[in-house]
Amino acid sequence: DTAVSQTPKYLVTQMGNDKSIKCEQNLGHDTMYWYKQDSKKFLKIMFSYNNKELIINETVPNRFSPKSPDKAHLNLHINSLELGDSAVYFCASSQELPHSTSYEQYFGPGTRLTVT
Amino acid sequence: AQSVTQLDSQVPVFEEAPVELRCNYSSSVSVYLFWYVQYPNQGLQLLLKYLSGSTLVKGINGFEAEFNKSQTSFHLRKPSVHISDTAEYFCAVSGGLSGSARQLTFGSGTQLTVLP
Repeated sequence: DTAVSQTPKYLVTQMGNDKSIKCEQNLGHDTMYWYKQDSKKFLKIMFSYNNKELIINETVPNRFSPKSPDKAHLNLHINSLELGDSAVYFCASSQELPHSTSYEQYFGPGTRLTVT
Repeated sequence: AQSVTQLDSQVPVFEEAPVELRCNYSSSVSVYLFWYVQYPNQGLQLLLKYLSGSTLVKGINGFEAEFNKSQTSFHLRKPSVHISDTAEYFCAVSGGLSGSARQLTFGSGTQLTVLP
C-alpha cells in the first residue's frame, strides 16, 4: 500500500488556469507538507499543516492555497497559473513529537506540473 | 536561520569504489541532520538521520554519515557503491523537532552517478 500518494502524477496546463493537486497519507501522521522542486532540483518548503492547522507558510504567492479537510489529506490549489509555477511538487507527512521518536518525513512520488 | 551547502553538484564514481558526498551546514541553534535519496522520477526516501548521541550514523543501503560539530559537517559515505546507488542525494537540516522549528532546509543536491 502506498504511504503517501499524490494525484495527478503529471499535469500540463495553460497559463491563467486554476488547478489542484491532491495528497493523501495512510500512515496516521498528524503533519503534512508541500514542497516545490525546481528545474535545478532545489527543494523548498511551501506549507506545513499539523492537525489541519497551518504551522508553516513560507513566502509563497497567495495564488497557492493549501486545503486540509482532515489529517490524512492536504490538497494544493493554484490559481492563475504562471510559467514559473512549472516544477515538481512533493507532498510529505510526519508524526509530531511526543508520539514519534523517529522524526522522518515520508514523501509522495511528486506531481510534475508544466505550465505552457 | 539555517542553511545547507552541498559542495559537489555531481559525483561520478566507478562501481565498487568508495564515495563521499559532502555536506556543510550553518545554524544558530542545535541541529538535526538528514540525508535523503531521490531515485529518478521518484520521491525522497530517508537514508539516515542524526538527532543526538553517537556522531557516526548508519543508514540504509550501506550508507553512513558522521556528524562533526566543530567543522559543521555531515558527510555521507559508502565504502563500495553499486550501479543501483545512482541517484540524487540531498542533505537537510532542521532546527528542532516540533512545530515550525522542524521545517527541513535542503541543500542543492548531489547527483551520484555510478559507472560500470
